[in-house]
Amino acid sequence: KAGVTQTPRYLIKTRGQQVTLSCSPISGHRSVSWYQQTPGQGLQFLFEYFSETQRNKGNFPGRFSGRQFSNSRSEMNVSTLELGDSALYLCASARDRTYEQYFGPGTRLTVT
Amino acid sequence: GIQVEQSPPDLILQEGANSTLRCNFSDSVNNLQWFHQNPWGQLINLFYIPSGTKQNGRLSATTVATERYSLLYISSSQTTDSGVYFCAAVQGAQKLVFGQGTRLTINP
Repeated sequence: KAGVTQTPRYLIKTRGQQVTLSCSPISGHRSVSWYQQTPGQGLQFLFEYFSETQRNKGNFPGRFSGRQFSNSRSEMNVSTLELGDSALYLCASARDRTYEQYFGPGTRLTVT
Repeated sequence: GIQVEQSPPDLILQEGANSTLRCNFSDSVNNLQWFHQNPWGQLINLFYIPSGTKQNGRLSATTVATERYSLLYISSSQTTDSGVYFCAAVQGAQKLVFGQGTRLTINP
């Protein structure tokens, strides 16, 4: 069974631009979560989607948004990029009624 | 919300040594996972262990839920074991709360 996939793997953007990251979960997994990893703040939860609905949300500004499609694929969007948004963005998926999460390879975003 | 603390922050050992990494959490949990972050950033699942003991080759983990801690043991360390190890806990929702990690360096 294929693992969680994320595209693109690397991205360079300029301050003020917006960016969209994509995540395809493991087949059969309907829960998709997003995390941000920075050297200063570590790994932090952004949001979780289940059956096209945002079920949980972390403490990030409204510039960070996401959505999930009927095939469980998810996208996250960051608008008006700031230098501090430079980070590794990780996506994870989980089966229904379990808490075990599986992570993708991540998208490394650099904002200049 | 739940707090997760890992110790030590850094651990340097010689190849062949055994190591113990600790994870303390502040409240009862539904899930406790251990991960190894590879050099490219991906989090590799090691154990899903909300309670009890599990073993996988040279690695084993024990979670004592009533005392709110988990231990990851690595025996006969190899240089390929180097990297950052994270524990993460879930309390009631699909939201992993991560510790700050333990950076393990195994020297040949």
